Amino acid sequence: GQQLNQSPQSMFIQEGEDVSMNCTSSSIFNTWLWYKQDPGEGPVLLIALYKAGELTSNGRLTAQFGITRKDSFLNISASIPSDVGIYFCAGQNYGGSQGNLIFGKGTKLSVKP
Amino acid sequence: EPEVTQTPSHQVTQMGQEVILRCVPISNHLYFYWYRQILGQKVEFLVSFYNNEISEKSEIFDDQFSVERPDGSNFTLKIRSTKLEDSAMYFCASSDLTDEQYFGPGTRLTVT
Repeated sequence: GQQLNQSPQSMFIQEGEDVSMNCTSSSIFNTWLWYKQDPGEGPVLLIALYKAGELTSNGRLTAQFGITRKDSFLNISASIPSDVGIYFCAGQNYGGSQGNLIFGKGTKLSVKP
Repeated sequence: EPEVTQTPSHQVTQMGQEVILRCVPISNHLYFYWYRQILGQKVEFLVSFYNNEISEKSEIFDDQFSVERPDGSNFTLKIRSTKLEDSAMYFCASSDLTDEQYFGPGTRLTVT
């Protein structure tokens, strides 16, 4: 089945630094989504990308849908302690019906104050 | 802001017992989903539901699983005879006509 490779697995950064993480796939996706998950909670949608090449921002977050439709990256600028958590990319591909999400394994972000 | 809610937050059950996990999706959403996440692993798709029927299901969603929308607000996941390996966080999600799926806080299922 389709798989997403998400990297890095974990990051330890200093408060104020910028962060970059990415996802790649051997398959094409129609939609890329980025989620953040805090311990014991559900994934929270951060950004949704619909078009190849699309660059979208949400506050300090910026994400891009790769031109080949097989990859996406997420940048966080000027990190703060509350950015700590696990970030998941998710790809969606569907035919005539609403499709399921395929998740990456996550990037665990730790921020040192 | 509207959100997906799930009950219970934690369910402990014995192997072989039936469990029903409950979700209230966002009210104007049309598509409903169940996902699970085994501790420390990625989120995995189980099933999607639209127009009162299953639209897609994964290999995980075998005959032991079923979903139902018993009324206009609830969406349930039933596991008929739980196994130890069913222990996981179960997330409900919903979406409207866009692809943006919003997740609930999850139910932690522990099978002993």
